[in-house]
Amino acid sequence: DTEVTQTPKHLVMGMTNKKSLKCEQHMGHRAMYWYKQKAKKPPELMFVYSYEKLSINESVPSRFSPECPNSSLLNLHLHALQPEDSALYLCASSQDRDPATDTQYFGPGTRLTVL
Amino acid sequence: GESVGLHLPTLSVQEGDNSIINCAYSNSASDYFIWYKQESGKGPQFIIDIRSNMDKRQGQRVTVLLNKTVKHLSLQIAATQPGDSAVYFCAENASGGYNKLIFGAGTRLAVHP
Repeated sequence: DTEVTQTPKHLVMGMTNKKSLKCEQHMGHRAMYWYKQKAKKPPELMFVYSYEKLSINESVPSRFSPECPNSSLLNLHLHALQPEDSALYLCASSQDRDPATDTQYFGPGTRLTVL
Repeated sequence: GESVGLHLPTLSVQEGDNSIINCAYSNSASDYFIWYKQESGKGPQFIIDIRSNMDKRQGQRVTVLLNKTVKHLSLQIAATQPGDSAVYFCAENASGGYNKLIFGAGTRLAVHP
């Protein structure tokens, strides 16, 4: 089973709203990732968690706040977003046995629209 | 990979033909490469990977070739089917200790019956 699930599938929010994206995997993976993907562009890494600790933050604005409550769950809290933050937000996970060669498995994404 | 602006390069093939999708990567220190397939409205799906100590790897109907001399990666799909229509991304891992993927710009594969 290589399934990563994400909720919600779609989210529309105003610039003053606070919302959260959720990601879950039950493959026993210990690394989890958030990516942002704009239309017709490749995914861009935002955050990496390894063993529930934040290991990479790609200079993401503070209006995006990641959280890893346990090794199976990853959240992305959103607050005061801008319309240009509208994108597909992808979660991925990997074993974290060998960071150089572990395969990342992606979820279906949350399509976010900021009005 | 380089950004190609608003339009993805597109490869159009006839059903049953072989497809070759190319990718240039940027970092000669990259030691792991992956091809992903992304269908409309879905997340990227792992297809095949290759380590830098290899130059060819085969899967079911797919082959990845790695040329480290010119930093080039290709994905060959045999007997292309309509279900292969998607955007294909190559990705390189050059993070030196972190699993940080850098994706290429992507190529759209359109399979015509």
